[in-house]
This record gives sequence, structure tokens and C-alpha cells, in this order.
Amino acid sequence: DAGVTQSPTHLIKTRGQQVTLRCSPISGHKSVSWYQQVLGQGPQFIFQYYEKEERGRGNFPDRFSARQFPNYSSELNVNALLLGDSALYLCASSTLVQVREQYFGPGTRLTVT
Amino acid sequence: GENVEQHPSTLSVQEGDSAVIKCTYSDSASNYFPWYKQELGKGPQLIIDIRSNVGEKKDQRIAVTLNKTAKHFSLHITETQPEDSAVYFCAASFGNEKLTFGTGTRLTIIP
Repeated sequence: DAGVTQSPTHLIKTRGQQVTLRCSPISGHKSVSWYQQVLGQGPQFIFQYYEKEERGRGNFPDRFSARQFPNYSSELNVNALLLGDSALYLCASSTLVQVREQYFGPGTRLTVT
Repeated sequence: GENVEQHPSTLSVQEGDSAVIKCTYSDSASNYFPWYKQELGKGPQLIIDIRSNVGEKKDQRIAVTLNKTAKHFSLHITETQPEDSAVYFCAASFGNEKLTFGTGTRLTIIP
């Protein structure tokens, strides 16, 4: 079975621009969570979606938004990019709404200049 | 909210020796404690997890112990090998709440 896939792998954007990151969960997984990992730190929770509904939101500004599609894939959008948004953005999927056995994708490396 | 502290931040051990990484958590309601291994340029890989109704869990060379009273949990790697070199993260959660991660331990296995 394919693991969690994310696209693009790398992305370079300019301050003020908008970006959309994509995630495809493991087949059969209905929950998708997004995390931000700044260099040298642990991942920080941004959003969780289960069955296309938002089930959790971390302490991130409204510039961050996400959605989940009927096929359980997900998009993370970030508007008005700041230099501090430069990070590895990770998507994780699991079978249940409960946070159990989350499997992470390889991430999207976003650089804001 | 939950806060997870992880120690040490870096750890070097001789190949074949054991490595131990420790974490403490603040929210006594947390009941799920996974450990992740992250290699350079990759996403975190789930290597073992433990639930609060269990005190210890083993999977070949890897074991995790949990002390609910002290709110401590630890990762033990025995007979370390060069491929064990990576950054290891502990995490904690309750129910369908988010995973809260520690700050990571960079483990280096010296041949």
C-alpha cells in the first residue's frame, strides 16, 4: 500500500503570496491532520479533518485554512505568507477521529523569501 | 494545554550499546504516547506507541515504558545499530485531541 503522499516536495514563495499544499492519505484512512515543523523543533499541530469536517485547530492565525475532499485528500492553504511561515509542512493520516497511529507523509518544504 | 519535555537533546552511543530517551508530560488526562523516528529529509515514522492502560511495550530492540503517576515515559533502544541514527520525537495526546510533540533527540550511533 502507498503511504501518505504530499505535493509539492519543495516550494519557494515571496512574502505576501498565497500557497496551497496537497495531501493524499493512506487508502482507507479518513482522518487527515496537518503539522508545521520549524527546523530543529517538533511538529506543531495546525488542523485535523475527519470525514470532511474540521475536528481540531491549533494555535495558528486565520491565514491558515484547510479542507478535506470526498476522497479524503486534503489541502492546506496559507495566505499572506510571512518569513516565519518557512517550515516543513507535514500531513498525517489515521483511520479514526481519535489520535491513534498517525502516519506521516514526507512533507512539503516551504521557503518564504 | 499539554506540554511535553524531552531529554536529552543530543545523544551519542557506541554501536551495540543501549540508548534511552526520556519525556515528561503535563496533562494527566493524556492517554496515548507514540514515538517517532525522523531521518533527514523525511517525515516522522511511527516506531512504537503505548496507551495509558499499559506500563511497558516491546517490539524487538525497541521498548517504551510509562509511569502515569510521575507522568514520565521513555524509549529504550538496545543493541544499537548505525541505522538507528536519526532524530527521535515523543508525543502525547488525549482522545481525539492533537498530538503534542517533544523537542526531539538527535541520536548518533558511533561505529
